[in-house]
Amino acid sequence: EAQVTQNPRYLITVTGKKLTVTCSQNMNHEYMSWYRQDPGLGLRQIYYSMNVEVTDKGDVPEGYKVSRKEKRNFPLILESPSPNQTSLYFCASSLEQGKGQYFGPGTRLTVT
Amino acid sequence: KNEVEQSPQNLTAQEGEFITINCSYSVGISALHWLQQHPGGGIVSLFMLSSGKKKHGRLIATINIQEKHSSLHITASHPRDSAVYICAVSRGAQKLVFGQGTRLTINP
Repeated sequence: EAQVTQNPRYLITVTGKKLTVTCSQNMNHEYMSWYRQDPGLGLRQIYYSMNVEVTDKGDVPEGYKVSRKEKRNFPLILESPSPNQTSLYFCASSLEQGKGQYFGPGTRLTVT
Repeated sequence: KNEVEQSPQNLTAQEGEFITINCSYSVGISALHWLQQHPGGGIVSLFMLSSGKKKHGRLIATINIQEKHSSLHITASHPRDSAVYICAVSRGAQKLVFGQGTRLTINP
């Protein structure tokens, strides 16, 4: 089954404790992105990747890192999480530039 | 002013009604996307358009590039169509900017 998976689905952590949210797709897609969704602000793009070893900033990259060492994986790294990074995070992938995206199920992160 | 504006923000209708959700944008785009977010939180991509009109089942999406406007229509609406509908625009590569979403509720 074609899908984008994210882990963990739910995470409660404390300020400053490094964490990684994994994202994996099984569709051989070139393009992958990370988004966060906040009440009143909607979805905002954090980072995106057009291929292995090619990443670029979206609209809200501060406090986040990504890597794309393999085509299927695009982890989101929070080196020192802060409470303002409490949010619902979505990973997505698409086959080509401009094509519709497949979204992961979301990761709800709470930083206390 | 947001780059992508949707209207209405909330819409409640009776089963069977014809639904229209609007999206206006203020920047040049390479494509426009319509997404559906289910009450459980999952997001599904419905359409990606750069011109004209697309249809999938009871859903129709149109775009007018000159007027920088797109509409999403739902014919013969059903309670299972209740969701948040999100418009997003691509500004080159994979950069996406999203509207605030329209919360649609269809009552039986």
